[in-house]
This record gives sequence, C-alpha cells and structure tokens, in this order.
Amino acid sequence: EVQLLESGGGLVQPGGSLRLSCAASGFTFNDYAMAWVRQAPGKGLEWVSGIGGSGGSKFNADSVKGRFTISRDNSKNTLYLQMNSLRAEDTAIYYCARANSPWYDFFFDNWGQGTLVTVSS
Amino acid sequence: EIVMTQSPATLSVSPGGGATLSCRASHSIRSNLAWYQQKPGQAPRLLIYDASTRATGIPVRFSGSGSGTEFTLIISSLQSEDFAVYFCQQYNNWPRTFGQGTKLEIK
Repeated sequence: EVQLLESGGGLVQPGGSLRLSCAASGFTFNDYAMAWVRQAPGKGLEWVSGIGGSGGSKFNADSVKGRFTISRDNSKNTLYLQMNSLRAEDTAIYYCARANSPWYDFFFDNWGQGTLVTVSS
Repeated sequence: EIVMTQSPATLSVSPGGGATLSCRASHSIRSNLAWYQQKPGQAPRLLIYDASTRATGIPVRFSGSGSGTEFTLIISSLQSEDFAVYFCQQYNNWPRTFGQGTKLEIK
C-alpha cells in the first residue's frame, strides 16, 4: 500500500522558514516523480513544485520561485520542501503527491493527508 | 500559464441522477487533463487521467471526455459518496494548473 506521510508544518512568523518532509513507503520511491501541492483554507488546489525521480528535474511555481526549494533523498525515501521568506499568502495545507511517471510530475495518483503551514505574527 | 476554468461553480443534483461538469483550458492541452475528487477534510483522489482514462478502482459511472480546450466529466447514477468537490488539472505545461473546482451538492 502506498503511503505518504507529511510532517514539519506549523506556525511561523512572516519572513521565517520551515522544512516540510514527506516519508514515502509501499513503492520504489526513485521510480516516481513527486510534487508538492497546496490548498489555502477554503480555496482550490495550487501546484507548488515538482521533481523527477532521480532528483535531476525540478520545477517551481512563480509564486514560490527563489523562496522554496524541492529536493529528495532517495536513500531515505523522503521528499522535502524548504520554505524560506514565508508570507501570509503561503498559509495552506501542503500535500505531498506521487506522480504517475518517473521523469516529470504529470498527474498525481497518490496523495498524503497534508500538513498545515500557518504564516502569521 | 494555462488557466483552467470550471463550470458550474456549484451543481445541485438528486441522488440517482446524472451530473455533467465542464473544464476549459485557455490554450490547447491536447489530452493532458486529470480530474480529482475531494471530500471535506480529505486529500484529493485521482479519478481520470489523459482526459478519459479511469484511475485504478474508479467506478464506471465516472467518465471523462474532451481534448484541446474543452473537457467534460460525467457522473451517472449519483451515489451519496459522490457529493464532493471536483477539480480538473492540466499537465501539458508548467506550471501545472488546476481549475477552481465544482462543488457537487445534494438537491
């Protein structure tokens, strides 16, 4: 059974940093691209970042470019999102999602339950 | 950026009835479209990919169609568990973009 377990969310002040983690199990992690997708309270879904299975291809939304960095450690079956210079508008549930491809984050066939990030003073 | 527009925002249908949800892309995305279902407090669930292919375990009452810029999700014989929010997503270009969602509610 595919499992994706996010952690690292919480309350942070504007300008602060957080690192999200997503522990994967139940599949060969490096055979799949992964992504982070967020959802502000009561709002729709927003793709944030994607990364290929080997970690070589990375893409980011313009809204987070220069502030967020996606990475993965295939030896630990873990996906990360380093978030710096956080803003109030980054407040959201952050989902880790598995893509149905080893190369690029096309569509997402498995999702974690999400971790809440709240940016507020 | 490709903008995805879903309609209607809310759709009220009686159990047992059928529902037709629409999704329009601002530019052609060929057949690179997925549909997701999301229930309150839950993560999204993949229903359809490549515009018309059902994901593993998805009932046959869910069907997708379309290509280019116009796409449709049809749900026939609505069950109580089908009342949820539905999102479309394009994966033809980066950034990946989602529609704003259609809420399917019980009439």
